[in-house]
Amino acid sequence: GEDVEQSLFLSVREGDSSVINCTYTDSSSTYLYWYKQEPGAGLQLLTYIFSNMDMKQDQRLTVLLNKKDKHLSLRIADTQTGDSAIYFCAERAGSNTGNQFYFGTGTSLTVIP
Amino acid sequence: GAGVSQSPSNKVTEKGKDVELRCDPISGHTALYWYRQRLGQGLEFLIYFQGNSAPDKSGLPSDRFSAERTGESVSTLTIQRTQQEDSAVYLCASSLDWGGNTGELFFGEGSRLTVL
Repeated sequence: GEDVEQSLFLSVREGDSSVINCTYTDSSSTYLYWYKQEPGAGLQLLTYIFSNMDMKQDQRLTVLLNKKDKHLSLRIADTQTGDSAIYFCAERAGSNTGNQFYFGTGTSLTVIP
Repeated sequence: GAGVSQSPSNKVTEKGKDVELRCDPISGHTALYWYRQRLGQGLEFLIYFQGNSAPDKSGLPSDRFSAERTGESVSTLTIQRTQQEDSAVYLCASSLDWGGNTGELFFGEGSRLTVL
């Protein structure tokens, strides 16, 4: 499978911005995603970006994509304690059997009150 | 239900026993995925079903693992002769898998398997 890499842990103070980074390897990826996993729950889609875009903003979330460097980041403005969760980066790569998704290891975000 | 449903939510078994994990996808979703999440690790792809096409089994770690899906409905992941390293959370996800769709995966809450 493809390699999607993330740092494992991030700790920020409430009200600060959080930046979670991700690198991927498949240059043919069509979509890139950020999923959020809260304790004891399944993953939920947070946001996504199409590969021909370099930025997407959605309320407190900003996604930046650098296709040349295969680098994706998620910025959370005014981070709240409710943002504490594991954040997974994922890429969607087409194949002759359909669409395949590759996930990173997840970054555990801890928000300190 | 409205979401992806998995059962059992927790399963404790003895080494060497067989286990079956079940996934009910969202109605109308043609694609279904199984992932394994070991403690402190990311999601490991296991198998992917798309409609009536042959499944992509490239992620299954050994021949002790198998999965079936009946049409576009329920899927069962079977692990035979379980080993301690099989202990993990097994996540199922479904998706509307057609061209032009953003491909959002909808995940169940997972089945936590503990092999003693």
